Amino acid sequence: DIQMTQSPSSLSASVGDRVTITCRASQGISNHLAWYQQIPGKSPKLLIYAASTLQSGVPSRFSGSGSGTDFTLTISSLRPEDFATYYCQKYNGAPLTFGGGTKVEIK
Amino acid sequence: EVQLLESGGGLEQPGGSLRLACAAAGFTFSNYAMSWVRQAPGKGLEWVSAISGGGTTTNFADSVKGRFTISRDSSKNTLYLQMSSLRAEDTAVYFCAKFRSANWYDAFDIWGQGTMVTVSS
Repeated sequence: DIQMTQSPSSLSASVGDRVTITCRASQGISNHLAWYQQIPGKSPKLLIYAASTLQSGVPSRFSGSGSGTDFTLTISSLRPEDFATYYCQKYNGAPLTFGGGTKVEIK
Repeated sequence: EVQLLESGGGLEQPGGSLRLACAAAGFTFSNYAMSWVRQAPGKGLEWVSAISGGGTTTNFADSVKGRFTISRDSSKNTLYLQMSSLRAEDTAVYFCAKFRSANWYDAFDIWGQGTMVTVSS
């Protein structure tokens, strides 16, 4: 099975900072990658699919890039409501594996 | 409004069974594959199972294969997860999720609020 490895597992940042999270697949998955945001106590929310396509209604400060095995999620200017845990997920086939998550905390 | 509402969670003993349900509204249920994802307390997301729009094709994570079954009733717009031979490690919040498109595999664009399953004696 393909493994999804996110880094870092956590980070501290300030409002206004640029934040980048990486996700690496153990084998190529083309662009079949999604990013989700989860606020504690809430359901995950889809941010990006097909590695770089912004889901409707998601602010443009979120962006995704990559293909094959290496992917990134970037938040261009962190806002207070962005402090959450972020997960990548591959969906090119079963199992639909998630990365371990990156917790973005307030510095 | 597109929404998913899970039910059926609770406390069950090891070796027991539970059936979760997910009521869908606001979209043509039979057009979309659906899935279950779980999250153990304080842990990350784990995909559990998926079922095609017509209900004829299913897939399971190795951790639940042979113990869980997934089904759907399009007349009731409801997704199910039948869980048997429950183990302590099945303790988690269980989310149902809708695939974004009619493709068999895609991102999950709609999630339910989750239902808690606790397996303990």
